[in-house]
Amino acid sequence: GNSVTQMEGPVTLSEEAFLTINCTYTATGYPSLFWYVQYPGEGLQLLLKATKADDKGSNKGFEATYRKETTSFHLEKGSVQVSDSAVYFCALSEGEYGNKLVFGAGTILRVKS
Amino acid sequence: DAGVIQSPRHEVTEMGQEVTLRCKPISGHDYLFWYRQTMMRGLELLIYFNNNVPIDDSGMPEDRFSAKMPNASFSTLKIQPSEPRDSAVYFCASRARAGTVEAFFGQGTRLTVV
Repeated sequence: GNSVTQMEGPVTLSEEAFLTINCTYTATGYPSLFWYVQYPGEGLQLLLKATKADDKGSNKGFEATYRKETTSFHLEKGSVQVSDSAVYFCALSEGEYGNKLVFGAGTILRVKS
Repeated sequence: DAGVIQSPRHEVTEMGQEVTLRCKPISGHDYLFWYRQTMMRGLELLIYFNNNVPIDDSGMPEDRFSAKMPNASFSTLKIQPSEPRDSAVYFCASRARAGTVEAFFGQGTRLTVV
């Protein structure tokens, strides 16, 4: 079946450091790819998405590019802030109309001031 | 819009008791999803509905779990009888229509079965 693999955390960075969280996927066909963020005590929020190969999703300074050749969708941010501390989930869509989301295990990000 | 609303936020119950989790999706959304989040298994899709009809319940772990959506603005997830291994955070999410990609999640219900 389809699956998503994320780098293990926690990832601990100083404020203004560069962030990369790796995500690779295994899927049949061409799923849409997503990054969701979960702040403490909250539900998941969509951070960015890409629906086809070579698309770049971006939001709030975060970026990720859909790489079909490497089956990857790595999340990057040039300068993290303390407020970015959260759990980040990579996900893909599968099934009819892409209704089902398959999530990675999540990566905890801690940013220190 | 207030977003997806779940209740209760926290539930502590004894093994063997019935537990009912509730969800109010965003008005106008056609799809409703129930997810379970645990440390061991991460986020798992349990069941989803389209226009109040259950479409895929293949993720429901056992017959002890059941879900209903009696109308477009309300859904329940019931566990009867509950067991300690059911302890998890249960999320409800809704989505507007087929072809849209973004699902909106509620804040979750943290269930502890002792």
